[in-house]
Amino acid sequence: NAGVMQNPRHLVRRRGQEARLRCSPMKGHSHVYWYRQLPEEGLKFMVYLQKENIIDESGMPKERFSAEFPKEGPSILRIQQVVRGDSAAYFCASSSRQGLTDTQYFGPGTRLTVL
Amino acid sequence: DAKTTQPNSMESNEEEPVHLPCNHSTISGTDYIHWYRQLPSQGPEYVIHGLTSNVNNRMASLAIAEDRKSSTLILHRATLRDAAVYYCILRATNTGNQFYFGTGTSLTVIP
Repeated sequence: NAGVMQNPRHLVRRRGQEARLRCSPMKGHSHVYWYRQLPEEGLKFMVYLQKENIIDESGMPKERFSAEFPKEGPSILRIQQVVRGDSAAYFCASSSRQGLTDTQYFGPGTRLTVL
Repeated sequence: DAKTTQPNSMESNEEEPVHLPCNHSTISGTDYIHWYRQLPSQGPEYVIHGLTSNVNNRMASLAIAEDRKSSTLILHRATLRDAAVYYCILRATNTGNQFYFGTGTSLTVIP
């Protein structure tokens, strides 16, 4: 059973370009979470999605950032007009259900560098 | 969100037990205590979770204080592969499904 897949693993963009980060959850998982980790810091929650629905986007910046989890295909985190401050590791996690005891399985992350 | 406090860093000798403490004095009755760890350049990995009773699994043990205001993650025999940042996280009913990660404890294992 393959784990959570993220691609690309490394992404370099110039200021003003768009970044698209992809996340394929574990088989059978319908809950996806995106987190951002700045250097030397812990992970910060961004958004929680179920298939075709955004459940909680309270951690996502209001501008330039968007996320989707379509019925078919991976979840996408999209950052428009990137700035240097967007440079970070972005992690996706998935779970099979929601609840206080459910385990989130994390992908290897995408490391975004904005030049 | 309920806060957790962990030491920034700890060291352990290889093959010795390691006790990683976590304080969570504002924990509420329905908050679960989760531990994840993050190896260098990897995503976080589930370690263990509990509510009130002590818990054991293949990776570690979780000892929860009777008043639940603190807990300790126990690695019974540290190996070099256990060198990682360990995060103690409270999962609460009023915080939805996301985890709130602090800065964690960076564990160094000395050969």
